[in-house]
Amino acid sequence: EAGVAQSPRYKIIEKRQSVAFWCNPISGHATLYWYQQILGQGPKLLIQFQNNGVVDDSQLPKDRFSAERLKGVDSTLKIQPAKLEDSAVYLCASSLRTSGGRNEQFFGPGTRLTVL
Amino acid sequence: AQSVTQLGSHVSVSEGALVLLRCNYSSSVPPYLFWYVQYPNQGLQLLLKYTSAATLVKGINGFEAEFKKSETSFHLTKPSAHMSDAAEYFCAVSENQGGKLIFGQGTELSVKP
Repeated sequence: EAGVAQSPRYKIIEKRQSVAFWCNPISGHATLYWYQQILGQGPKLLIQFQNNGVVDDSQLPKDRFSAERLKGVDSTLKIQPAKLEDSAVYLCASSLRTSGGRNEQFFGPGTRLTVL
Repeated sequence: AQSVTQLGSHVSVSEGALVLLRCNYSSSVPPYLFWYVQYPNQGLQLLLKYTSAATLVKGINGFEAEFKKSETSFHLTKPSAHMSDAAEYFCAVSENQGGKLIFGQGTELSVKP
């Protein structure tokens, strides 16, 4: 089966510009996650969707970050305006469900964002 | 709050030597524990997971980990390192199997010929 797809793979922008990332989860996966991985650190959850509803966005900087998952499939993560400290790899993951078995999170290759 | 500590940001071993990557967790509830591997410019791949079924967990590529509640540890081991094992390894904890993962800061494994 096809894995989690993300685009673009790399993005370089100036501070105060806006940027958007796209994620296509594995077909049939109800749960979608966005993680931020700063260089030298482990990934940190930004937002979790169950179908098209938000389960957890407690660590999403809502003054500049937004995310949506229309129709419960693809998702976009937007940053507006970007700051230098937003330079990181943004990882998207999906899982079949959030409880019971078969809920392993599968990760995409990530989008590496550099803010100059 | 849950947290994960990985001892050693970088570990170097010789090919054929034992690999030991350390992970300690703090959790107020029985945790679910995971080890992921990340190769350069790739996403994370699950190596193994502990979900209370057995304390010794076997994963892919010859890796295994032992859950020790008394030590709040979940160290990753492999008897004999291969060059292809060189990568970044992350330990993670979750309160439930489908919830968010809380990751450690990662350990970079280098394998010398």
